[in-house]
Amino acid sequence: DQQVKQNSPSLSVQEGRISILNCDYTNSMFDYFLWYKKYPAEGPTFLISISSIKDKNEDGRFTVFLNKSAKHLSLHIVPSQPGDSAVYFCPNNDMRFGAGTRLTVKP
Amino acid sequence: EAGVTQFPSHSVIEKGQTVTLRCDPISGHDNLYWYRRVMGKEIKFLLHFVKESKQDESGMPNNRFLAERTGGTYSTLKVQPAELEDSGVYFCASSQEAFQETQYFGPGTRLLVL
Repeated sequence: DQQVKQNSPSLSVQEGRISILNCDYTNSMFDYFLWYKKYPAEGPTFLISISSIKDKNEDGRFTVFLNKSAKHLSLHIVPSQPGDSAVYFCPNNDMRFGAGTRLTVKP
Repeated sequence: EAGVTQFPSHSVIEKGQTVTLRCDPISGHDNLYWYRRVMGKEIKFLLHFVKESKQDESGMPNNRFLAERTGGTYSTLKVQPAELEDSGVYFCASSQEAFQETQYFGPGTRLLVL
């Protein structure tokens, strides 16, 4: 039972533009959702989270939006930088990861 | 502060052999988790230790996998006998509280079974 789905395996954006990464989930019974970023040959690192009682959380260039009725989560990165190029995962607090979305930010 | 470390970084073995992966969590972290990513697919949860006890091992694929955490410090994950489909990257993570937001991941062990 795949609880988290990331339907876009990859995304390419130009430096300075907005990157929007999406996640859909099936189970509503979670306290919070997280975004992790993973560089090649490294483990995932925590990026930002959002509580299930909120619909938005912002941290610098990163903003996460939660649409509970649609069971949809998104991460906005603006402006995007080449160093943001990585694979992004959106596990719930049970740490069930999706397949990830590979973001490439072109200079 | 030292992060989560994993050993070895890479392992290449033949089908049928045994491999033991080791994870040293951040000192003081009671919670230790094992995950694996097979062939670039999703990262799958394997199991969760609280100190030396297995809190949740629902993700362990079969009885060829054995995880231990004697003394509640480092943990080992043994695969015996290894099969081709066991190839992938095995990650370990630790946290102070159970499934705390900031799980700290190790760099992973890349296992290739030939």
